Amino acid sequence: DTAVSQTPKYLVTQMGNDKSIKCEQNLGHDTMYWYKQDSKKFLKIMFSYNNKELIINETVPNRFSPKSPDKAHLNLHINSLELGDSAVYFCASSQGTRGMSTEAFFGQGTRLTVV
Amino acid sequence: QQQVKQSPQSLIVQKGGISIINCAYENTAFDYFPWYQQFPGKGPALLIAIRPDVSEKKEGRFTISFNKSAKQFSLHIMDSQPGDSATYFCAASKTSGNTPLVFGKGTRLSVIA
Repeated sequence: DTAVSQTPKYLVTQMGNDKSIKCEQNLGHDTMYWYKQDSKKFLKIMFSYNNKELIINETVPNRFSPKSPDKAHLNLHINSLELGDSAVYFCASSQGTRGMSTEAFFGQGTRLTVV
Repeated sequence: QQQVKQSPQSLIVQKGGISIINCAYENTAFDYFPWYQQFPGKGPALLIAIRPDVSEKKEGRFTISFNKSAKQFSLHIMDSQPGDSATYFCAASKTSGNTPLVFGKGTRLSVIA
């Protein structure tokens, strides 16, 4: 069974469109995250949720809106996509009440290409 | 401001050799230092981690050396194998508070036969 699963794996879309990426974890973890990995492989945190509550929101355009319907799911909705949004987006989860103090499990990533 | 600096950016090692990747951090409040391994098309996966109460941790061929006074830590891969070829990330965080995991920029390791 996949611990952290993201869909879709690949997403190609035109500028200006709105798209969503879904993430689910079956590990029973309290905390979930979205990371962005750019073309140079740099991993940067975007959001962190603990028990459906947003606890970290790094400097991310408000076109990005995370939603956590329950603690096992954290979806990412992106409005008005721009070329610069092209990247690999990773969902991750960990068992920790705050921050990322224990092992984080990552999904396989969603490669978003905006054309 | 980059809180975790990683070097080298890329590394080529002969099979059977030792791979060494170095990281330096700035925030003295960090108390958890993991290394992640990422293969192409996959998400990062935890390889080994250390807390600052020890200076070294070994798991199989992988060893973390930690120098608290210098605010540096390194990953040593002994007897490097072609299957170790991947991108390695060091990271750091605080185990209390809302501090997220901060990653270094990664090292692309190629182990050649």
